[in-house]
Order: sequence, then C-alpha cells, then structure tokens
Amino acid sequence: EAEVAQSPRYKITEKSQAVAFWCDPISGHATLYWYRQILGQGPELLVQFQDESVVDDSQLPKDRFSAERLKGVDSTLKIQPAELGDSAMYLCASALRGGNTGELFFGEGSRLTVL
Amino acid sequence: DAKTTQPPSMDCAEGRAANLPCNHSTISGNEYVYWYRQIHSQGPQYIIHGLKNNETNEMASLIITEDRKSSTLILPHATLRDTAVYYCIVLSLNRDDKIIFGKGTRLHILP
Repeated sequence: EAEVAQSPRYKITEKSQAVAFWCDPISGHATLYWYRQILGQGPELLVQFQDESVVDDSQLPKDRFSAERLKGVDSTLKIQPAELGDSAMYLCASALRGGNTGELFFGEGSRLTVL
Repeated sequence: DAKTTQPPSMDCAEGRAANLPCNHSTISGNEYVYWYRQIHSQGPQYIIHGLKNNETNEMASLIITEDRKSSTLILPHATLRDTAVYYCIVLSLNRDDKIIFGKGTRLHILP
C-alpha cells in the first residue's frame, strides 16, 4: 500500500541551528500539507501546497520557517534558526485533487527535539 | 478554532462497542463530519466521514443525529489496537476549507 514517506524520523538539534524535514507524498497526490503537533495537542496546519504552489501558509512562522515543493512532488520544510519552542512532531500529509479532499494520508512524522 | 466538542478521554472494555460522541452544534448544511484517529507515535489515520446519513465501513460506523448537531463514532468490537486519540472534524469540501484538529478524545481500551 502506498505511503507518505518522511525523514528523518527523529532529529535532535541545538537552538539556533538549522533543521530540515523531507516529505514524499503518495504518487499522484497533488495536495500536500505540513502540520506541527505539540505534545498533548492536535496537529496544527502550517502550510498547504497544491502542486508546486502554496495555497495557504497563514500559520507558518515565516521569520524562521520555510517550505517548498519545487517540482510539485516532494517537499521540504526548513527551520532556521531552531528555537526551544519548535520541539514537536512535524507531520506531512497528502491528498488527491478532486477526490475525497477530506481524506488525508499522513506520514509517520518527524519528531524534533531542540536543546 | 475547532468547530467540535469531544470528551477528553474515555475507557472501553476490550470486545465491547466503543461509542465516541462529538458535538458540532454550529455545523452548516454543506459541512461533513470526518473522523480520524492517531495511534501513539504515528500520524493521524482517516476513519470515516458522513454528511447526514449514517455510514459504515470496515473500520467503524458513524451515526449522525437528524439535526446534525452531534454524531457518534462506533467501534463495534474494540480491541487493544484501537487505543488512540480520536478526532472529530467538520469540513466543507469547498476549495478553501482546511482540516482543523482539536484535542480529540483519548480512548483507552481496557483488557
């Protein structure tokens, strides 16, 4: 069964360092999302792509976070510089365009710890 | 802000039906009710969705009240693997609508 791939699975970094997460959605899924999940809370949407275009990045802290999906396939989420409060699970999800757009397929996430 | 209200936690005995309630009193006519669950250390998983009719699939059943202001997710024969956080979400399928997760219900299946 096709899956959303994310890496790294775990990342430990020191504050002020740069960190990057990678996501490869299910083949053919035009819509890609990045969510952040702080321990004990539900996932929070950071950015949504439709193909290579950003549809919504209103909740992305743009002073330190950036996201790209250059060829409309895989995507990278970057944090620079990392802060202690960025410790969280970063989840990538994808969805079909024109399908059941409420059905998102999530990866296993990348857990970030900032020391 | 999440448009739903769910109890923070529930227990259910293994083998029994788990009934997870959700209130969505401000739901509008074009909004669907979606359920996801998140097993520890994994990403959320889609379970089921519905508009106004009851729905059933291989994972669960969804019962939506006639006024659509609340719904119940039913896991008919809960197993230990059903221990997870369950999220109820209302969502229109308009292009600009977003899936917004609340805190969900933490379901503990007891052996």
